[in-house]
Amino acid sequence: DAKTTQPPSMDCAEGRAANLPCNHSTISGNEYVYWYRQIHSQGPQYIIHGLKNNETNEMASLIITEDRKSSTLILPHATLRDTAVYYCIVRVAGSNDYKLSFGAGTTVTVRA
Amino acid sequence: DGGITQSPKYLFRKEGQNVTLSCEQNLNHDAMYWYRQDPGQGLRLIYYSQIVNDFQKGDIAEGYSVSREKKESFPLTVTSAQKNPTAFYLCASSIRHYSTQPQHFGDGTRLSIL
Repeated sequence: DAKTTQPPSMDCAEGRAANLPCNHSTISGNEYVYWYRQIHSQGPQYIIHGLKNNETNEMASLIITEDRKSSTLILPHATLRDTAVYYCIVRVAGSNDYKLSFGAGTTVTVRA
Repeated sequence: DGGITQSPKYLFRKEGQNVTLSCEQNLNHDAMYWYRQDPGQGLRLIYYSQIVNDFQKGDIAEGYSVSREKKESFPLTVTSAQKNPTAFYLCASSIRHYSTQPQHFGDGTRLSIL
Protein backbone atom coordinates (compact mmCIF):
# COMPACT_ATOMS: atom_id res chain seq x y z
CA ASP A 1 0.00 0.00 0.00
CA ALA A 2 1.21 3.49 -0.84
CA LYS A 3 2.15 5.39 2.30
CA THR A 4 2.35 8.78 0.61
CA THR A 5 0.43 10.60 -2.10
CA GLN A 6 1.97 13.33 -4.22
CA PRO A 7 0.69 15.23 -7.25
CA PRO A 8 2.22 13.80 -10.42
CA SER A 9 3.58 17.08 -11.70
CA MET A 10 3.85 20.79 -11.10
CA ASP A 11 5.43 23.80 -12.75
CA CYS A 12 7.22 26.61 -11.00
CA ALA A 13 8.63 29.92 -12.18
CA GLU A 14 12.33 30.49 -11.71
CA GLY A 15 13.04 32.63 -8.66
CA ARG A 16 9.71 31.88 -7.05
CA ALA A 17 9.06 29.54 -4.14
CA ALA A 18 8.03 26.01 -5.02
CA ASN A 19 5.63 24.36 -2.57
CA LEU A 20 5.44 20.59 -2.96
CA PRO A 21 2.66 18.84 -1.04
CA CYS A 22 2.68 15.31 0.30
CA ASN A 23 -0.16 13.45 1.95
CA HIS A 24 0.66 10.75 4.49
CA SER A 25 -2.63 10.35 6.30
CA THR A 26 -1.77 6.93 7.77
CA ILE A 27 1.57 7.97 9.24
CA SER A 28 2.34 6.45 12.62
CA GLY A 29 3.85 8.23 15.58
CA ASN A 30 7.37 6.90 15.03
CA GLU A 31 7.56 7.47 11.27
CA TYR A 32 9.71 10.25 9.89
CA VAL A 33 9.04 12.15 6.67
CA TYR A 34 11.95 12.23 4.23
CA TRP A 35 12.29 14.12 0.98
CA TYR A 36 14.61 13.18 -1.86
CA ARG A 37 14.89 14.37 -5.42
CA GLN A 38 16.29 12.76 -8.53
CA ILE A 39 17.52 14.66 -11.51
CA HIS A 40 17.41 12.69 -14.73
CA SER A 41 20.15 10.02 -14.96
CA GLN A 42 21.58 10.91 -11.55
CA GLY A 43 21.30 9.27 -8.16
CA PRO A 44 18.67 10.43 -5.66
CA GLN A 45 19.69 13.40 -3.56
CA TYR A 46 18.62 13.70 0.06
CA ILE A 47 16.92 17.02 0.81
CA ILE A 48 15.49 17.09 4.32
CA HIS A 49 13.64 15.04 6.90
CA GLY A 50 11.58 15.58 10.02
CA LEU A 51 9.36 13.95 12.63
CA LYS A 52 6.91 16.62 13.75
CA ASN A 53 8.68 19.94 13.96
CA ASN A 54 9.27 22.14 10.96
CA GLU A 55 12.78 21.82 9.63
CA THR A 56 15.00 24.04 7.50
CA ASN A 57 18.38 23.52 5.91
CA GLU A 58 20.37 25.12 3.14
CA MET A 59 18.29 23.44 0.46
CA ALA A 60 14.70 23.63 1.65
CA SER A 61 12.15 23.88 4.41
CA LEU A 62 9.83 21.13 5.57
CA ILE A 63 6.49 22.06 7.05
CA ILE A 64 4.63 19.22 8.78
CA THR A 65 1.02 19.76 9.84
CA GLU A 66 0.16 19.44 13.49
CA ASP A 67 -1.70 16.17 12.92
CA ARG A 68 1.25 14.98 10.81
CA LYS A 69 -1.06 13.76 8.06
CA SER A 70 0.54 15.96 5.43
CA SER A 71 3.65 17.99 4.78
CA THR A 72 4.99 20.56 2.35
CA LEU A 73 8.49 20.86 0.99
CA ILE A 74 9.39 24.45 0.19
CA LEU A 75 12.16 25.38 -2.20
CA PRO A 76 12.45 29.08 -1.39
CA HIS A 77 13.90 30.34 -4.67
CA ALA A 78 13.56 27.76 -7.40
CA THR A 79 16.22 27.61 -10.10
CA LEU A 80 16.36 25.68 -13.35
CA ARG A 81 18.66 23.20 -11.59
CA ASP A 82 15.79 22.29 -9.27
CA THR A 83 13.95 20.59 -12.13
CA ALA A 84 13.70 16.97 -10.94
CA VAL A 85 11.39 14.28 -9.61
CA TYR A 86 10.74 14.85 -5.91
CA TYR A 87 9.93 11.94 -3.63
CA CYS A 88 8.26 12.09 -0.25
CA ILE A 89 8.63 8.92 1.83
CA VAL A 90 7.83 7.93 5.38
CA ARG A 91 9.79 5.39 7.34
CA VAL A 92 10.35 4.26 10.88
CA ALA A 93 13.92 5.46 11.13
CA GLY A 94 16.22 3.58 13.43
CA SER A 95 14.43 0.29 12.89
CA ASN A 96 14.15 -2.52 10.37
CA ASP A 97 12.39 -0.10 8.02
CA TYR A 98 15.68 0.62 6.22
CA LYS A 99 14.66 -0.26 2.66
CA LEU A 100 13.95 2.91 0.75
CA SER A 101 11.07 2.72 -1.68
CA PHE A 102 10.14 5.62 -3.88
CA GLY A 103 6.69 6.03 -5.35
CA ALA A 104 6.00 7.97 -8.53
CA GLY A 105 6.90 11.29 -6.94
CA THR A 106 6.21 14.77 -8.27
CA THR A 107 7.89 15.88 -11.46
CA VAL A 108 8.78 19.50 -10.90
CA THR A 109 9.62 21.65 -13.89
CA VAL A 110 11.11 25.05 -13.19
CA ARG A 111 10.55 27.45 -16.09
CA ALA A 112 12.57 30.57 -16.88
CA ASP B 1 34.01 17.05 -0.67
CA GLY B 2 32.61 14.05 1.14
CA GLY B 3 30.42 11.76 -0.85
CA ILE B 4 29.79 8.49 -2.61
CA THR B 5 31.58 7.69 -5.84
CA GLN B 6 30.26 5.04 -8.19
CA SER B 7 32.17 3.87 -11.22
CA PRO B 8 31.93 3.40 -14.05
CA LYS B 9 28.99 5.59 -15.02
CA TYR B 10 28.13 3.28 -17.93
CA LEU B 11 28.97 -0.41 -18.24
CA PHE B 12 28.29 -3.00 -20.87
CA ARG B 13 28.19 -6.72 -20.19
CA LYS B 14 28.58 -9.56 -22.63
CA GLU B 15 26.68 -12.79 -22.27
CA GLY B 16 28.25 -15.09 -19.67
CA GLN B 17 30.41 -12.33 -18.24
CA ASN B 18 30.65 -11.15 -14.65
CA VAL B 19 31.04 -7.43 -14.11
CA THR B 20 31.88 -5.48 -10.96
CA LEU B 21 30.47 -2.09 -10.05
CA SER B 22 32.52 0.05 -7.72
CA CYS B 23 31.18 2.07 -4.79
CA GLU B 24 33.45 4.13 -2.55
CA GLN B 25 32.43 6.52 0.23
CA ASN B 26 34.48 8.94 2.30
CA LEU B 27 31.69 9.85 4.70
CA ASN B 28 32.90 7.44 7.38
CA HIS B 29 29.52 5.69 7.23
CA ASP B 30 29.13 2.24 8.70
CA ALA B 31 26.21 1.10 6.54
CA MET B 32 26.16 0.70 2.79
CA TYR B 33 23.47 -0.42 0.37
CA TRP B 34 22.98 -1.48 -3.24
CA TYR B 35 19.71 -0.76 -4.99
CA ARG B 36 18.50 -1.43 -8.47
CA GLN B 37 16.22 1.06 -10.20
CA ASP B 38 14.11 0.02 -13.16
CA PRO B 39 11.64 2.26 -14.99
CA GLY B 40 8.25 2.15 -13.31
CA GLN B 41 9.47 -0.11 -10.49
CA GLY B 42 11.17 2.26 -8.11
CA LEU B 43 14.06 1.08 -5.96
CA ARG B 44 14.71 -2.51 -5.02
CA LEU B 45 17.30 -3.52 -2.44
CA ILE B 46 19.94 -5.98 -3.61
CA TYR B 47 22.36 -6.21 -0.67
CA TYR B 48 23.27 -4.20 2.35
CA SER B 49 26.11 -4.09 4.84
CA GLN B 50 25.74 -2.84 8.38
CA ILE B 51 29.44 -2.86 9.11
CA VAL B 52 32.74 -3.94 7.58
CA ASN B 53 33.06 -7.69 6.95
CA ASP B 54 29.29 -8.12 7.18
CA PHE B 55 26.62 -8.10 4.50
CA GLN B 56 23.05 -9.33 4.11
CA LYS B 57 20.80 -10.17 1.18
CA GLY B 58 18.08 -7.78 0.21
CA ASP B 59 14.95 -8.55 -1.78
CA ILE B 60 16.59 -9.37 -5.12
CA ALA B 61 20.05 -10.78 -4.29
CA GLU B 62 19.97 -13.68 -6.75
CA GLY B 63 22.61 -13.28 -9.43
CA TYR B 64 24.57 -10.69 -7.44
CA SER B 65 27.43 -10.83 -4.97
CA VAL B 66 29.15 -8.26 -2.74
CA SER B 67 32.07 -7.87 -0.39
CA ARG B 68 32.83 -5.42 2.40
CA GLU B 69 36.51 -5.74 3.21
CA LYS B 70 36.97 -2.04 3.87
CA LYS B 71 34.65 0.44 5.51
CA GLU B 72 34.74 2.78 2.54
CA SER B 73 34.20 0.23 -0.21
CA PHE B 74 31.23 -1.98 -1.14
CA PRO B 75 31.64 -3.42 -4.66
CA LEU B 76 28.79 -5.23 -6.38
CA THR B 77 29.39 -8.06 -8.84
CA VAL B 78 26.68 -8.83 -11.36
CA THR B 79 27.18 -12.46 -12.28
CA SER B 80 26.15 -14.33 -15.40
CA ALA B 81 23.39 -15.89 -13.31
CA GLN B 82 21.55 -12.56 -13.32
CA LYS B 83 19.42 -12.97 -16.41
CA ASN B 84 18.05 -9.46 -16.60
CA PRO B 85 20.88 -7.19 -15.46
CA THR B 86 20.02 -4.14 -17.56
CA ALA B 87 19.20 -1.45 -14.99
CA PHE B 88 20.41 1.62 -13.14
CA TYR B 89 22.40 0.56 -10.07
CA LEU B 90 22.59 2.85 -7.07
CA CYS B 91 24.88 2.64 -4.08
CA ALA B 92 23.92 4.37 -0.85
CA SER B 93 25.36 4.77 2.61
CA SER B 94 24.19 5.92 6.01
CA ILE B 95 25.97 6.69 9.23
CA ARG B 96 24.53 3.57 10.83
CA HIS B 97 22.07 0.93 9.69
CA TYR B 98 19.59 1.68 12.45
CA SER B 99 19.53 5.45 12.40
CA THR B 100 17.20 8.37 11.83
CA GLN B 101 19.87 9.86 9.57
CA PRO B 102 19.18 9.50 5.85
CA GLN B 103 20.78 7.31 3.27
CA HIS B 104 22.89 9.20 0.76
CA PHE B 105 23.31 8.03 -2.81
CA GLY B 106 25.97 7.96 -5.46
CA ASP B 107 25.28 8.96 -9.04
CA GLY B 108 24.69 5.43 -10.22
CA THR B 109 26.00 3.01 -12.82
CA ARG B 110 23.91 2.20 -15.85
CA LEU B 111 24.46 -1.39 -16.93
CA SER B 112 23.46 -2.63 -20.37
CA ILE B 113 23.81 -5.93 -22.19
CA LEU B 114 25.72 -6.17 -25.45
